[in-house]
Amino acid sequence: GAVVSQHPSWVICKSGTSVKIECRSLDFQATTMFWYRQFPKQSLMLMATSNEGSKATYEQGVEKDKFLINHASLTLSTLTVTSAHPEDSSFYICSARERLRGGAYNEQFFGPGTRLTVL
Amino acid sequence: DQQVKQNSPSLSVQEGRISILNCDYTNSMFDYFLWYKKYPAEGPTFLISISSIKDKNEDGRFTVFLNKSAKHLSLHIVPSQPGDSAVYFCAASARAGGTSYGKLTFGQGTILTVHP
Repeated sequence: GAVVSQHPSWVICKSGTSVKIECRSLDFQATTMFWYRQFPKQSLMLMATSNEGSKATYEQGVEKDKFLINHASLTLSTLTVTSAHPEDSSFYICSARERLRGGAYNEQFFGPGTRLTVL
Repeated sequence: DQQVKQNSPSLSVQEGRISILNCDYTNSMFDYFLWYKKYPAEGPTFLISISSIKDKNEDGRFTVFLNKSAKHLSLHIVPSQPGDSAVYFCAASARAGGTSYGKLTFGQGTILTVHP
């Protein structure tokens, strides 16, 4: 159980185009999904927290107009990189957390990541 | 401001011996800690976690120790196996408003290599 998928696993696009990345929780309902990016040999940096049915909360320094996040259902969140540029090239990883039960902490389950290369 | 630090970029261990991975944190609000294993071009896989009310948690070959006064945690792998070779991240979380908000802050990672 607790499987999270991402699609696509890799994408190459031209500068100026937009790219959508999907994150799905396959066997559980995810009240909250998180989006991270990882540069080579660096840590995972949280970009935004997405709660189903509400606006995403972005971390400081992350442009909300550039990285559009939608969490329309309990099993799907999407990240759209708008007007992508070469500096947006990175490894994007989502994670999903199960609906809270009685206030207990639930671990995040990570997707396999999406490698974005902007030419 | 690196709130979670893994000061050893890499660790090399012989198969069968103990691997000890270390992690330090600065935010005293952190009260839940996790270790993840990650292969290149894959998402992290959860290994083990510990709440701040405990100082030790064990799961098979993996044991996590928490020293709150020193703001330090460590992951022990015994015995180490070649398949354990990967990048290990520690992560920390602070509960907000009495509920488990759960935003994770990650360390930089430690590359573990276990030699046969």
